[in-house]
Amino acid sequence: DTEVTQTPKHLVMGMTNKKSLKCEQHMGHRAMYWYKQKAKKPPELMFVYSYEKLSINESVPSRFSPECPNSSLLNLHLHALQPEDSALYLCASSQVRDRQGDGYTFGSGTRLTVV
Amino acid sequence: QQQVKQSPQSLIVQKGGISIINCAYENTAFDYFPWYQQFPGKGPALLIAIRPDVSEKKEGRFTISFNKSAKQFSLHIMDSQPGDSATYFCAASSDGAGNQFYFGTGTSLTVIP
Repeated sequence: DTEVTQTPKHLVMGMTNKKSLKCEQHMGHRAMYWYKQKAKKPPELMFVYSYEKLSINESVPSRFSPECPNSSLLNLHLHALQPEDSALYLCASSQVRDRQGDGYTFGSGTRLTVV
Repeated sequence: QQQVKQSPQSLIVQKGGISIINCAYENTAFDYFPWYQQFPGKGPALLIAIRPDVSEKKEGRFTISFNKSAKQFSLHIMDSQPGDSATYFCAASSDGAGNQFYFGTGTSLTVIP
């Protein structure tokens, strides 16, 4: 079982809907990430929260809005999405400066379909 | 600009054979090189990782070879099994704020019985 929990696992939404994706980790990691992954492609970084400070990939459209209520929780708010936003959305966490374990731990993802 | 280049795009290996996936990078500031394994419908899982102070790291059937001067690293899967069939991503990062990772384009490995 992954130590990064994402809900829901699947989501179908219309282009006028508002929905949220949720992510939770209890490993004490201080960096959390949202990635978008299209089929047969590598994950693409969307947002980073490091010590609850946000860094944004400037290519990400404003219809995606991240929120980090605390160091264990990460949300991604979705509004007015387009069909091309359909993808697997991955949450990940990591230590920031622990050189013994810098790898990401990914969640299983939310499969999003925009209709 | 692709920070990490990965090849081949797909690979078919007989059961018991050796699978080899290669990656190359340009940024000499990178100091952490993980490999991720991803099964369909799942998130990537860290498989094995290496730092530039060693040239090789082995964990079970998986070995990373690292060539710092050539800025290349590779994943070797010995005695490949059908259960190894997955997509493999190499990645690189430097010890910067947020630990951003740069992923290769992925290799789809199929191990045939």
